[in-house]
Amino acid sequence: AQKVTQAQTEISVVEKEDVTLDCVYETRDTTYYLFWYKQPPSGELVFLIRRNSFDEQNEISGRYSWNFQKSTSSFNFTITASQVVDSAVYFCALSEAQAGANNLFFGTGTRLTVIP
Amino acid sequence: NAGVTQTPKFQVLKTGQSMTLQCAQDMNHEYMSWYRQDPGMGLRLIHYSVGAGITDQGEVPNGYNVSRSTTEDFPLRLLSAAPSQTSVYFCASSPTGVETQYFGPGTRLLVL
Repeated sequence: AQKVTQAQTEISVVEKEDVTLDCVYETRDTTYYLFWYKQPPSGELVFLIRRNSFDEQNEISGRYSWNFQKSTSSFNFTITASQVVDSAVYFCALSEAQAGANNLFFGTGTRLTVIP
Repeated sequence: NAGVTQTPKFQVLKTGQSMTLQCAQDMNHEYMSWYRQDPGMGLRLIHYSVGAGITDQGEVPNGYNVSRSTTEDFPLRLLSAAPSQTSVYFCASSPTGVETQYFGPGTRLLVL
């Protein structure tokens, strides 16, 4: 069965610190997709990144970077030089490549608070 | 494009009442889905649809019905609301079944 674990329930950092959010997943499929979504205090879900299981290259987008390691079934998310606007709940999610469907299995989320 | 829209934004129901949560998208996406978000549990899939006329159950389907008569609309029906259905409901869509899903703003439902 598929599973996504975000062991860090809440993290607080001081502005400008770097922070890494952990995500560990379980799946029996060889083809799958991993996602990160951001949920700011306003409540909407904002898509950040999608990775497929065959692409283990790390990705950087501005202050955001993602480290995908199949050997440890992890897809960690790092925010460099954190800002108050980064305060949100971050969800990691897994989708298996079932025919015709893209159902997401979410972790329980990590609440990040950036203190000014 | 308005993207994914949901109505209402907030609703209070009494136990046993019925209601329909509306979801619409104007991006001609084939895949649509409903999730519920409860504190400490992340989001869980209720129902999904891979195209007009096709629906299927997700992880937590009990107490909910869906239909997909058009590509644009995917309403979620609560036939007899229960306090356990108090939650935030999100609708999402994607072009096909294997692409990134984009979420609507959510509907907050309180069942008394």
